[in-house]
Amino acid sequence: SQELEQSPQSLIVQEGKNLTINCTSSKTLYGLYWYKQKYGEGLIFLMMLQKGGEEKSHEKITAKLDEKKQQSSLHITASQPSHAGIYLCGADRSNTGKLIFGQGTTLQVKP
Amino acid sequence: NAGVTQTPKFQVLKTGQSMTLQCAQDMNHEYMSWYRQDPGMGLRLIHYSVGAGITDQGEVPNGYNVSRSTTEDFPLRLLSAAPSQTSVYFCASKLEGRMNTEAFFGQGTRLTVV
Repeated sequence: SQELEQSPQSLIVQEGKNLTINCTSSKTLYGLYWYKQKYGEGLIFLMMLQKGGEEKSHEKITAKLDEKKQQSSLHITASQPSHAGIYLCGADRSNTGKLIFGQGTTLQVKP
Repeated sequence: NAGVTQTPKFQVLKTGQSMTLQCAQDMNHEYMSWYRQDPGMGLRLIHYSVGAGITDQGEVPNGYNVSRSTTEDFPLRLLSAAPSQTSVYFCASKLEGRMNTEAFFGQGTRLTVV
């Protein structure tokens, strides 16, 4: 079973709509990373969260880490076609640079 | 800085052939790791290293070998390629003990084993 569970696995939204992707762990996380991947390309770093209750924003993307540091959400406001891709959450549970990843969420944004 | 550089970008192998995927970083990062990405499974850790001379296995190490003779390089070797190793491979690096820094990824190597 996946140590990090992402939901939903895929998402199709109309341009302009808001959406949320969730990432859940059964264990406390030292660091939670969000990456985006365009089809056939490498991973683009979005944000990293460390502290319980932390929230970060970049342009129209906001990520939060819950107080227990076991769940994170990624929220996109007013989605655009440029937001399409695969979103991956990753976590470093032991501070060794050994990241584990969720299975990814594929986002399509219809113009 | 070039960041994390992976070569080759694409490779086709026949079953039983061997090859080495190269990974180099110029950021003096202690931590380096290899992942494979398969549809619906996210990234799975193959091997990782916390410094030169130190390597350890990840989730899916079978069929792969690694070594870390320098801080900069972390090659991944397939000794006898199998169709199950068809995947996209990513190398990553990260500063040691720095929880507030990102892991940097290479652009990936798309490997097909026929």
